[in-house]
This record gives sequence, structure tokens and C-alpha cells, in this order.
Amino acid sequence: KQEVTQIPAALSVPEGENLVLNCSFTDSAIYNLQWFRQDPGKGLTSLLLIQSSQREQTSGRLNASLDKSSGRSTLYIAASQPGDSATYLCAVRAGANSKLTFGKGITLSVRP
Amino acid sequence: DVKVTQSSRYLVKRTGEKVFLECVQDMDHENMFWYRQDPGLGLRLIYFSYDVKMKEKGDIPEGYSVSREKKERFSLILESASTNQTSMYLCATQTGSGNTIYFGEGSWLTVV
Repeated sequence: KQEVTQIPAALSVPEGENLVLNCSFTDSAIYNLQWFRQDPGKGLTSLLLIQSSQREQTSGRLNASLDKSSGRSTLYIAASQPGDSATYLCAVRAGANSKLTFGKGITLSVRP
Repeated sequence: DVKVTQSSRYLVKRTGEKVFLECVQDMDHENMFWYRQDPGLGLRLIYFSYDVKMKEKGDIPEGYSVSREKKERFSLILESASTNQTSMYLCATQTGSGNTIYFGEGSWLTVV
């Protein structure tokens, strides 16, 4: 059974720092991996989707990498801003028609 | 932009009531999902649907049913609400297999 872990559960950094959020998964046979952002009391917003054949995806200040063999993905946020404060979740999919397995998220606080 | 609308953002219902949560999407996506999200437990899949009138059980279907009479609308039904169904409910949609999944804003349900 696939398990997705995100450690630490919470992180606080000063504004301007470059930071890395980690996601690990137990079964390396994945189809793709998706990173989401969730603001308090709101739904999830998709940030990046990485297919199993890809090593990374970029969108603005965000860069997500995937290392299937080690069961890891990282979300890199450059020059963090207070507006980046949110919970970040990763989710993996075993096959095209498989359901997503979510991590419990990392709650990020960026201090002004 | 994909729009996933959950018509009820906040509901308070009494134990034993029948509850309907509605989700409408405007992008002609084939796949629709209902999740619940609880502190410490993360997101858990309740039901999903790959087509009109089709439904599949997720990880925690007990106490819930769904209806998909039209492609754009996916309803979650609590036949007899109980206090342990107090939660945030999230609807999501996806086009095709393995593609990006999009979430609604969520529905906060409190059962008293």
C-alpha cells in the first residue's frame, strides 16, 4: 500500500529565503506526482504535475523535482514571500486510472 | 480556467437528517471525486465517477452515496447524518486519466 510522507508538518521561515519542501513515497512505481497548495479553509490549488518520465517541472518561483528510484520529490520555492504561507500537499498516482494518495501536508509560514 | 463550484460552503445539520452536497464543474471533465479532509487524517476518497451514472467506491464510502445524472454535476448524499461526518468535504474533477486534478473550495459540514 502506497504511503506518502511529508516532514516536517510545519515550517516557519523569514521572508526572502529559498526553501525546500520534501515529499517521500514508499512505492516507487508511480505514474505521476502532483503538488498542491491549500489556503486556510479553502480547497486545493494544483501547482505542478510531474509525470514519472520527468525529472522536474517549473512554474515561476516554484520548481518540483522527482526522483522515483529513491521515492522522493521536492518542491523548491525561491525568494519566499508572506503570500506563500499556506499548506503544501503532495499526492502520487500509481497508474493512469488509479486514485491519488495524499500526504498530510506541510504548513508553511513566511514571516515578513 | 477550470471552475469547480460547491454550492454550499457552510452547513449545519442535525443528526439523522439527509444531507445533499452539490458539485458542478464547467469544463466537461469526465472524472469527478468526493473527498473529506480531517485534521491528522488528511484527504480520504469517498466516491468517484468516471462517467454519467457511473460510480465507484473510494476508501471510506460507508454512510455516503453519490449521484451523477449529468456530466457536470456530482452529488454527495448523507442518508442519515451522524456527528462523525462533521468534516470538510472537497469535490474534484479531472479530464481523462492521470491528468491534473482540480478542486472546489470545499463545504464545511457540521452535524449536531
